[in-house]
Amino acid sequence: ILNVEQSPQSLHVQEGDSTNFTCSFPSSNFYALHWYRWETAKSPEALFVMTLNGDEKKKGRISATLNTKEGYSYLYIKGSQPEDSATYLCAFENYGQNFVFGPGTRLSVLP
Amino acid sequence: EAQVTQNPRYLITVTGKKLTVTCSQNMNHEYMSWYRQDPGLGLRQIYYSMNVEVTDKGDVPEGYKVSRKEKRNFPLILESPSPNQTSLYFCASSSSGTGREKLFFGSGTQLSVL
Repeated sequence: ILNVEQSPQSLHVQEGDSTNFTCSFPSSNFYALHWYRWETAKSPEALFVMTLNGDEKKKGRISATLNTKEGYSYLYIKGSQPEDSATYLCAFENYGQNFVFGPGTRLSVLP
Repeated sequence: EAQVTQNPRYLITVTGKKLTVTCSQNMNHEYMSWYRQDPGLGLRQIYYSMNVEVTDKGDVPEGYKVSRKEKRNFPLILESPSPNQTSLYFCASSSSGTGREKLFFGSGTQLSVL
């Protein structure tokens, strides 16, 4: 079974701080890397799907980068707000559309 | 409204009593899949389907069955549930049968097997 790791496991930041998390995944058999945002008592929602080495994607204050050769992706949040509090999941997709999710990074933004 | 509908939201059952969790999507999506979420672990894929009548095992298929007779529906069947199947279950779909598309998740089913 493939292993996808995320760090840190949890994070507390002050409102207005910028922050970033890491997702590590196998560099072989790579097809896509997904990021999802999961608020408590809700369903995960897609942020980005990244496919090419060097990809950078941005959605408002959230952005992500991808390095498929070394097997990592970074998610950045600029100027964190309390509504950014959630668990952020990354998922490795291989050619067979088998998904392996990381355990998530739980972000708490304190007002 | 485009959505993935799972039922029920909560289910308490006893060991050995067969149950089905339904999943339906109204977006004409090719791909559907099932996951379970346990504390400290990421979402783990149980089964997935890239099209009607095509299903494949994910990482944790033991004790589960699925079927994809129609494009919109992908039920998860537990023939003889056991306590280690107590978990939060999510169904998800995506538009492409060839991948690289975002997943849309259902609202989840919290299952407790006593």
